Amino acid sequence: GESVGLHLPTLSVQEGDNSIINCAYSNSASDYFIWYKQESGKGPQFIIDIRSNMDKRQGQRVTVLLNKTVKHLSLQIAATQPGDSAVYFCAENEGGSTLGRLYFGRGTQLTVWP
Amino acid sequence: NAGVMQNPRHLVRRRGQEARLRCSPMKGHSHVYWYRQLPEEGLKFMVYLQKENIIDESGMPKERFSAEFPKEGPSILRIQQVVRGDSAAYFCASSPGDRGPGYTFGSGTRLTVV
Repeated sequence: GESVGLHLPTLSVQEGDNSIINCAYSNSASDYFIWYKQESGKGPQFIIDIRSNMDKRQGQRVTVLLNKTVKHLSLQIAATQPGDSAVYFCAENEGGSTLGRLYFGRGTQLTVWP
Repeated sequence: NAGVMQNPRHLVRRRGQEARLRCSPMKGHSHVYWYRQLPEEGLKFMVYLQKENIIDESGMPKERFSAEFPKEGPSILRIQQVVRGDSAAYFCASSPGDRGPGYTFGSGTRLTVV
C-alpha cells in the first residue's frame, strides 16, 4: 500500500552478512511482484520478480519469498557487498495479461558497512 | 540498445512556466509509464500510454498535467503553470507489453520549481 512518512525504514549490515528486506502488501488481487534497487540519483533497477503461483524464486545472490497468506514479500541478499547499498522497493501488479501500473512500497534504505 | 532515455536530467522552472519532460522507450517497447517520486518516498504512478493512446491516467492530477506518446517521437509529460509542489523526480519506464520481467526505468528528470 501507500504511505507517507518522514524517513525511510533502514537496514544496516556488515559486508559479507546476509540481508533480509521485508515488504507487506494489501491487495489480494496482486499476482505479480517485483523488487527494484534504486541508487542515489538513478532510476529503479530491476532485481527479481515472482508470480503469485510461486513461493520462492532465486537469482544471483538474491532470493524472493512470497507468503500470500499474510501478504508478505521478502528479498534476501546473500553475502551483502558495499555495492548493494541503495534503497530497495517492492512493487505489485494486479491481474491481466499486460503489465500495467505498479504499486510501489515505501522503500528500505540498505547500508552496507565494510 | 541505450535503454530508456529521459531528458533533460535536470530542469529548473519558475512558478507559472511550463515543463516538458521527454522519454524515449527502449527499442521494441511500445508501452510507456510515467511515475513521480518525492524525496524519501516510493514511486507514484501517473499515466500509462501506448502509441497514440492513453491506457490509464488514473494517477494524473486533473489539471495542468498531460501526457502523450505520438506515433513518431518520444513520450512527453507536460506540466503547465508549474507550482513548487510539482518539484520532484519524474521517471519514465517502458515495457514490451507482455508480463514480466518488470519495466525498464530511465534515469529520471529532476524538476525544481523556484
